[in-house]
Amino acid sequence: QSALTQPPSASGSPGQSVTISCTGTSSDVGDYNYVAWYQQHPGKAPKLMIYEVSKRPSGVPDRFSGSKSGNTASLTVSGLQAEDEADYYCSSSVGSNNYVFGTGTKVTVL
Amino acid sequence: QLQLQESGPGLVKPSETLSLTCIVSGGSIRNSGLYWGWLRQPPGKGLEWIGNIYHTGSTYYNASLKGRVTISIDTSKNQLSLKLSSVTAADTAVYFCARRCISTSCFLYWGQGTLVTVSS
Repeated sequence: QSALTQPPSASGSPGQSVTISCTGTSSDVGDYNYVAWYQQHPGKAPKLMIYEVSKRPSGVPDRFSGSKSGNTASLTVSGLQAEDEADYYCSSSVGSNNYVFGTGTKVTVL
Repeated sequence: QLQLQESGPGLVKPSETLSLTCIVSGGSIRNSGLYWGWLRQPPGKGLEWIGNIYHTGSTYYNASLKGRVTISIDTSKNQLSLKLSSVTAADTAVYFCARRCISTSCFLYWGQGTLVTVSS
């Protein structure tokens, strides 16, 4: 199973929006509505930000939103804040209890 | 609040077996419907799912590691374990244990991770 493709980097100024793409295939992202997004600060464990394409776990600000079209999922962070600077990873289910992750995107707040 | 804590040797020799333990606190590992997993992240690289185990002991592994990985659960100690055999430098990574989201495919609770280096 090949890793999902994400842009290596993305950036925006405070208050702006940034969108990260996650491109897979018809066998993973395109076939399942089980896309999740994780935020990871340096030296820390990943934190779940979005699950099932567009749902937010309790406690995640509504500035974070997700969507999917065909084989590509997207994460949008609106109203960028300094604490949003982190690495972001997408993941997709590939069948039951089988997962593939994205290559990761480093988001910089300018 | 559920907490997970990985532990194990930080250095393993090539061709040997990597063994890690994850102690779960704040909740029972045997609760019905729960899946527990191991994931890893090589230094400076992305995440890779290693495998999951259901509270009954049923296991699911990443095909790329199949044959080398064993995940087990000890309900009496409220912990899960990972064994990865015949390790090489490519297995050097931070290893995380995690609990899958209930009734959906994501990982909600994570341990802090433990770095394992494969080197002679």
